[in-house]
Amino acid sequence: EAQVTQNPRYLITVTGKKLTVTCSQNMNHEYMSWYRQDPGLGLRQIYYSMNVEVTDKGDVPEGYKVSRKEKRNFPLILESPSPNQTSLYFCASSLWGKQPQHFGDGTRLSIL
Amino acid sequence: GDSVTQMEGPVTLSEEAFLTINCTYTATGYPSLFWYVQYPGEGLQLLLKATKADDKGSNKGFEATYRKETTSFHLEKGSVQVSDSAVYFCALSPGGGSQGNLIFGKGTKLSVKP
Repeated sequence: EAQVTQNPRYLITVTGKKLTVTCSQNMNHEYMSWYRQDPGLGLRQIYYSMNVEVTDKGDVPEGYKVSRKEKRNFPLILESPSPNQTSLYFCASSLWGKQPQHFGDGTRLSIL
Repeated sequence: GDSVTQMEGPVTLSEEAFLTINCTYTATGYPSLFWYVQYPGEGLQLLLKATKADDKGSNKGFEATYRKETTSFHLEKGSVQVSDSAVYFCALSPGGGSQGNLIFGKGTKLSVKP
């Protein structure tokens, strides 16, 4: 089954404790992206990757890092999380230059 | 820059009512337009799309027409069901889909009462 898998689905943690949210897709997609969803703001893009070892900033990259060492994986790293990063996060993937994007089920992060 | 504006929610309707969710966009070039739906506790799913002016996207009884003259892509359904309760996002892909990025509206929450 074609899917985008995020882990964990839920996480409560404390300020400053490094965390990683994993994202994996099994569709051989070149393009992957991370979004955050906040009430009243919709989805905003954090980072995206056009292929292995190629990443670029989206609209709200501050406080986040990503890496793309393999085509199927695109982890989101919060080196020193802060409460303003409490949000619902989505990973998505697609063939390069094609739509639609396929979304994971989301990761709800709470930073205390 | 490119942007999407959709009507504020929440929208509450009775079953079998007519639904319209307005969406307008600002873009250079020739964007592709999309409606995504997010059911409770789930990720976003593509509902329908249109890639050029006057195209009509349709799926599950929902329709939207790409209107370049009014820069709009309003979502409509003739008779909503309780199972349509979800958050709906209008989105555009700049440059006619030649890039991967999507720009989303803020979402409209729809609640359908029996």
